[in-house]
Amino acid sequence: AQKVTQAQTEISVVEKEDVTLDCVYETRDTTYYLFWYKQPPSGELVFLIRRNSFDEQNEISGRYSWNFQKSTSSFNFTITASQVVDSAVYFCALSAYNFNKFYFGSGTKLNVKP
Amino acid sequence: NAGVMQNPRHLVRRRGQEARLRCSPMKGHSHVYWYRQLPEEGLKFMVYLQKENIIDESGMPKERFSAEFPKEGPSILRIQQVVRGDSAAYFCASSPLPAGKSSYEQYFGPGTRLTVT
Repeated sequence: AQKVTQAQTEISVVEKEDVTLDCVYETRDTTYYLFWYKQPPSGELVFLIRRNSFDEQNEISGRYSWNFQKSTSSFNFTITASQVVDSAVYFCALSAYNFNKFYFGSGTKLNVKP
Repeated sequence: NAGVMQNPRHLVRRRGQEARLRCSPMKGHSHVYWYRQLPEEGLKFMVYLQKENIIDESGMPKERFSAEFPKEGPSILRIQQVVRGDSAAYFCASSPLPAGKSSYEQYFGPGTRLTVT
């Protein structure tokens, strides 16, 4: 069975703090893809990153970084020096190799206060 | 290049009425996904369609819900005899290829918020 768990329902930080959003997944597939999406208050979903199961390299994009660890089935997302504009709900998602369907976690609501 | 368009953005229906949600994928995209997001929850996959074909509808409720993606025109998610529990945001996403391959991704529309009174 495929499943994505985001245990943190809501996180509040003060601007400029670093924050890590956790994502744990379950799958029996050997080939799969992991994603992070941002849903700002306006409601649309914004793609942030895709990672395939064979690429465990960590990735950094500006203030964003992702840590993929197959040994713990985790794909965590860190925002460095958070800003108010980072306030949103963040979703982690899993897709099997055939991309026929995607499994989303329940989301983590991030509140960044000035 | 216009993004994924969904209309209406907000839809109010009384119990027992029909709801039709439209999704126009990005130009050149032939793959469409529909998701439902209940309040305070994540997105739940409903159905994956290619032009004129339903590829995976394992997330669709067995009754009252149907989806199509005709050769011409937008993809339609149809909910018959709506009930209060159908109130949710419905998102569609499009992709030129199965999402995730190569450099392509799912591109999401702004969603349709359905309220059943």
